Amino acid sequence: DGGITQSPKYLFRKEGQNVTLSCEQNLNHDAMYWYRQDPGQGLRLIYYSQIVNDFQKGDIAEGYSVSREKKESFPLTVTSAQKNPTAFYLCASSIGRADTGELFFGEGSRLTVL
Amino acid sequence: DQQVKQNSPSLRVQEGRISILNCDYTNSMFDYFLWYKKYPAEGPTFLISISSIKDKNEDGRFTVFLNKSAKHLSLHIVPSQPGDSAVYFCAASVRGGALIFGKGTTLSVSS
Repeated sequence: DGGITQSPKYLFRKEGQNVTLSCEQNLNHDAMYWYRQDPGQGLRLIYYSQIVNDFQKGDIAEGYSVSREKKESFPLTVTSAQKNPTAFYLCASSIGRADTGELFFGEGSRLTVL
Repeated sequence: DQQVKQNSPSLRVQEGRISILNCDYTNSMFDYFLWYKKYPAEGPTFLISISSIKDKNEDGRFTVFLNKSAKHLSLHIVPSQPGDSAVYFCAASVRGGALIFGKGTTLSVSS
């Protein structure tokens, strides 16, 4: 079945460690996104990529990094520079520039910093 | 400053009645407006959308109304069902750009 797969679903990290969240899609979508959800904050955009080997910062990119070496994959690294990394992270994809904005989301990854 | 605002954090409705969720926006360049539904620990799922050239879009029990002059949209659910209980996010985009989400409204439908 076509869809977006995020892994791991749950992740614990010690302070000062980098951690990478995986996002893979087999929908043949050009665009991919990372959002962060915190209680009462809605979904905030971290990074997005409209095409392979290109990506743009969202509203809260500080302390995060991404890569887009393949169309299907858009991993997110939460670095030790991120001050408050405990959150629910959502990856999404869309058709791309010509689309109407509809996003397809993965199931999310919950990161907890101990 | 928030471009998409959902000023009501929560809404409680009885089963069978109408649920009205509201959303305001500030960016007049937005082309599309969407509503997403989200259950805890899951990704949001698309519910309904409307283009800026329309003022109403209907899909079964769900209707979205757009008032461009007021920069306001609303989602109507009729009749409301207990399974509709979830967090509803309003979102907007300029064509080809990333979606901007509101903070969400938690809908509780009691039987």
